[in-house]
Amino acid sequence: NAGVTQTPKFQVLKTGQSMTLQCAQDMNHEYMSWYRQDPGMGLRLIHYSVGAGITDQGEVPNGYNVSRSTTEDFPLRLLSAAPSQTSVYFCASRPDSTLYEQYFGPGTRLTVT
Amino acid sequence: QQQVKQSPQSLIVQKGGISIINCAYENTAFDYFPWYQQFPGKGPALLIAIRPDVSEKKEGRFTISFNKSAKQFSLHIMDSQPGDSATYFCAASSRSGYSTLTFGKGTMLLVSP
Repeated sequence: NAGVTQTPKFQVLKTGQSMTLQCAQDMNHEYMSWYRQDPGMGLRLIHYSVGAGITDQGEVPNGYNVSRSTTEDFPLRLLSAAPSQTSVYFCASRPDSTLYEQYFGPGTRLTVT
Repeated sequence: QQQVKQSPQSLIVQKGGISIINCAYENTAFDYFPWYQQFPGKGPALLIAIRPDVSEKKEGRFTISFNKSAKQFSLHIMDSQPGDSATYFCAASSRSGYSTLTFGKGTMLLVSP
């Protein structure tokens, strides 16, 4: 099992550009989440999904869109990048509502200039 | 409103010493308290977790102490080693709804040789 994979590892965007951060897991986990990590702020939940076709907002959803068409994939879209979205983004997955352990991907470091 | 408060922000401990990181929570519905360990450039990984029906859980050199009445829990790292140098996050979750994890802001631990 590859676990949770994220691409790209690094990305530089100009303000106003759009892009999609990819996340995939091969553990057949129902639950997937996106977090952003900023210095001194810990991990903050952006969006999450409890299964294919079901998504919901987390703590900091503004400026981001998600969709979940398959169990394996959970992409995060930035429609119009802003410098405030400079961060490290982590995707995570877990089996279901009864098992709490989350498995994190290696992260994507995004810089918006 | 920060639901999980973590302290200290950073910690320097001599090799062989005891590292102690504290967390306090507000939501009495929380029923799962994990600690995650993150090395530079990597995603967080589950280190140890506790549920409120026990006051202590030990796994090797790592111990969680839990005080339900005070709504506090802490991570103790005995015989700290340079390889333990990492950022540690406490988190909390409740069984209701999707049960998202709420993270503390993290503690950067440096174990000096």
